[in-house]
Amino acid sequence: DTAVSQTPKYLVTQMGNDKSIKCEQNLGHDTMYWYKQDSKKFLKIMFSYNNKELIINETVPNRFSPKSPDKAHLNLHINSLELGDSAVYFCASSQGLRVGFVTGELFFGEGSRLTVL
Amino acid sequence: SQQGEEDPQALSIQEGENATMNCSYKTSINNLQWYRQNSGRGLVHLILIRSNEREKHSGRLRVTLDTSKKSSSLLITASRAADTASYFCATDKETSGSRLTFGEGTQLTVNP
Repeated sequence: DTAVSQTPKYLVTQMGNDKSIKCEQNLGHDTMYWYKQDSKKFLKIMFSYNNKELIINETVPNRFSPKSPDKAHLNLHINSLELGDSAVYFCASSQGLRVGFVTGELFFGEGSRLTVL
Repeated sequence: SQQGEEDPQALSIQEGENATMNCSYKTSINNLQWYRQNSGRGLVHLILIRSNEREKHSGRLRVTLDTSKKSSSLLITASRAADTASYFCATDKETSGSRLTFGEGTQLTVNP
C-alpha cells in the first residue's frame, strides 16, 4: 500500500497546454505539499495545504493552481505550460501541523516528471 | 540565499568506508532533517534532530548538530553499494514553520 501516490509518473506535453498531476495520501496526515525539483536536484516548496486550507504559496506563477478537495488529496493544475516548467514535481505529506508549528517528517511520493517540449 | 548548503556536492568512496556529509544553514531552526533520494525515486526520511539535541544515531547513521556554527553532519558508517544516493539536509526554520527548506544535496557513490 503506497503511502503517498502521484499520477502520472511521466508527463510529456507541448508548450501552451494545460495539465494536472494528482496526489493522494493514505496516512491520515493533515498537511500536504507540492515541491518542485529542477534538473540540478534543487527542491523548492511550491504550496502547502493544512486540512484543505492553503497555508503556503511560495510566489508561484498564477498558472499553477493547487486544489485540495479533502485532506487526503492535493492536485496540481498547470495552465499554459512553459519550457521552464519542466521538472520533477513531488507531493508530500506530514502529520497535523498548522502555520508556525514545527514541521515533522515528510513522506514523499515517487514524483511526476514533467517534460514540456 | 539558500538555507541549507551541503558539501561536498559529490562523494565517491569504497564499500566499507565511512561517508561524511555536511550541511550549513543561515537562520535559527526548530529541527534539521536528513533525507535520501535514490535515482528516479522520491525522498525518504532518514533522521530528525531537534535544535536542542547535539547528536542522534539510527543504525549506521550518526547525525550531529552544532547550532552555534549552524551546521550539521551526517555520517554513514561501513557504507554499502546500496547507500549510493543523493542525501539532502532540510531545515525547519523558527520563523516560518510548517515547511522544510532543502539543501542542494550530496551525491554519494559507494563503489563495490
